[in-house]
This record gives sequence, C-alpha cells and structure tokens, in this order.
Amino acid sequence: EVQLVQSGPEVKKPGDSLKISCKASGYSFTNNWIGWVRQMPGKGLEWMGYIYPGDSEARYSPSFAGQISISADTSINTVYLQWRSLKASDTATYYCARRVGAARHNNWFDPWGQGTLVTVSS
Amino acid sequence: QSVLTQPPSVSGTPGQRITISCSGSGSNIGDNTVHWYQHHPGTAPKLLIYNNDQRPSGIPDRFSGSKSGTSASLAISGLQSEDEADYYCAAWDDGLNAHVFGTGTKVTV
Repeated sequence: EVQLVQSGPEVKKPGDSLKISCKASGYSFTNNWIGWVRQMPGKGLEWMGYIYPGDSEARYSPSFAGQISISADTSINTVYLQWRSLKASDTATYYCARRVGAARHNNWFDPWGQGTLVTVSS
Repeated sequence: QSVLTQPPSVSGTPGQRITISCSGSGSNIGDNTVHWYQHHPGTAPKLLIYNNDQRPSGIPDRFSGSKSGTSASLAISGLQSEDEADYYCAAWDDGLNAHVFGTGTKVTV
C-alpha cells in the first residue's frame, strides 16, 4: 500500500526555523515526485512545490519560491519542507502528496499525507 | 487567489444528483487535464477523478468528471451522507507555471 506519513503538529514563534517531514512507503521513492500543499485556516488548497528524490531536483510555485525549501533523504524515504524564519501567516495545515502521471503538466496527486498543522504565534 | 472558480457551496438530498462546476482559462483547463479531490476536513484529501474523467480504483462510479473548453464539471449521483465534504478541481497553469486548485466547493447533504 502506498502511504505518506507526516510528522506531528508544531507550535512555533515568529522568526523560528522549522522542518516538517513526510515519510513514504509502498512504492519506489526515488522515481516519483512528491509535492507540498498548503491549506490556511478556512481557506483552500495551494500548491507550494515538489521534489524528485532521485536527483533532488526541486521546483517551486512562484508564490512560494524563496520562502521555503524542499529536500529529500533517500536513505529513509523522507521528504522535508523547511522554513528559515516563520511568520504568523505561515500558520496552516501542510500536506505532502505523491505526484502521479507521466506528462510534465498533466499529472495529479495521489495519495496524500494526513497533514501537519503548523501554528506560528508569539 | 485561485484562477479556477468553483461555486462556494452545493447542497442536495440523499439519492439526488448534483454537479460542481470549475471555470478556468486557456492557460489551465483549456490546455491541460483536470483533476478532482474530495476533502473531509481534518483528513487527507483524496483523489476522485484524474485526467478529466478517469476514476482511480476504489472510487465509486457515482462520481464522474467531464471537461469542455475552459470548464470542467464533477457530478455526484446517488448522493450519500458521506459525500458531505469539500471538493476541489485542479490543473496545471502554463502561464503561472504552477499547479492550481479551484476555490473549493462545500457539498452539504
């Protein structure tokens, strides 16, 4: 069974750094892109970026480029989403999801992780 | 601010058929395939439809998708209480160079 399991909830202060994780199992980790999606409280889904663990190539949404960093550790089949300096507006639930589909632009996300709630408050 | 527009809410009674629209443009739906996700708050979103009208294994045939021009639709027939959730369309946008999601539709049964 393909499964993505994310790290637990986090409570941080503005200016703190943070790295959350997404552990994959049940498929070839290095051969599939994994993305991150943000859902702010009461809002919809926003694609942030994804990474190809096979060569660590990361692509970012223009809306998030420079604000986040996505990395992968193939030794433990885990992808990370990292912030150097959190803001209150980063408060959201973050989902990881495997990108599926052969065509560069016609692909979808399946399955999804359970979500990680990040709360940033002073 | 999403470039794919959905109605904020759709409601129906058990057994009824409802449709959810998703309106985009030539740079997203017009040129690329559309996918649909079901999201029960507090749980992982689930893929319902991919490539406009394809159902993953395990998704009941009560769910169907279609696309025409720069718009797409998700239909749910034989509405059930467990269908009460948020639904999102999604596609790649060539202009934004990004995956984009719809504004989301809350379905109430």
